[in-house]
Amino acid sequence: NAGVTQTPKFQVLKTGQSMTLQCAQDMNHEYMSWYRQDPGMGLRLIHYSVGAGITDQGEVPNGYNVSRSTTEDFPLRLLSAAPSQTSVYFCASSYLGLQFFGPGTRLTVL
Amino acid sequence: EDKVVQSPLSLVVHEGDTVTLNCSYEVTNFRSLLWYKQEKKAPTFLFMLTSSGIEKKSGRLSSILDKKELFSILNITATQTGDSAIYLCAVEGGSEKLVFGKGMKLTVNP
Repeated sequence: NAGVTQTPKFQVLKTGQSMTLQCAQDMNHEYMSWYRQDPGMGLRLIHYSVGAGITDQGEVPNGYNVSRSTTEDFPLRLLSAAPSQTSVYFCASSYLGLQFFGPGTRLTVL
Repeated sequence: EDKVVQSPLSLVVHEGDTVTLNCSYEVTNFRSLLWYKQEKKAPTFLFMLTSSGIEKKSGRLSSILDKKELFSILNITATQTGDSAIYLCAVEGGSEKLVFGKGMKLTVNP
């Protein structure tokens, strides 16, 4: 039982490049979410999904896209990376309000 | 707009001290309040509180919720250097969405 997994662990991008952060869970949780964490800002919700085929925006969705074609996977896409998207990204899945976090992806945009 | 405010935002103590972390919230459709501990990686779950006045306890850590005054406290007694971390408070306002506070950085010096 791997829990929530994220890849890659680290990534460096140039401004304007696109990439996808991968997230997968094997707990059969319906609810999944993406957060970004910046110093002194806590965790801010980017997008979330309440089940396969259903996604919605969180607090800071601009510049990010998501899709949820299966229960297990919830990838986050950066369409055109900007330095303001330099952050640590956490994926989480949830059951009865208790969120389980992945190990995080540290992204730097130059 | 749902809001979670933690105080203080940072605290430096000596080993053996007792600390109290505060979390106040404004959220529609409150379902639960959660405390997480974050070291150099993903947040790990400490407590989930749903009922007012019932203390949750785990070793030297304890937490209580006041739903009338809309706040929670996290107490750590006899602090150790291993308690150094960021402590995050989050509130679930329905649909399993969590709103996080900015976090409190605790440093415990030997």
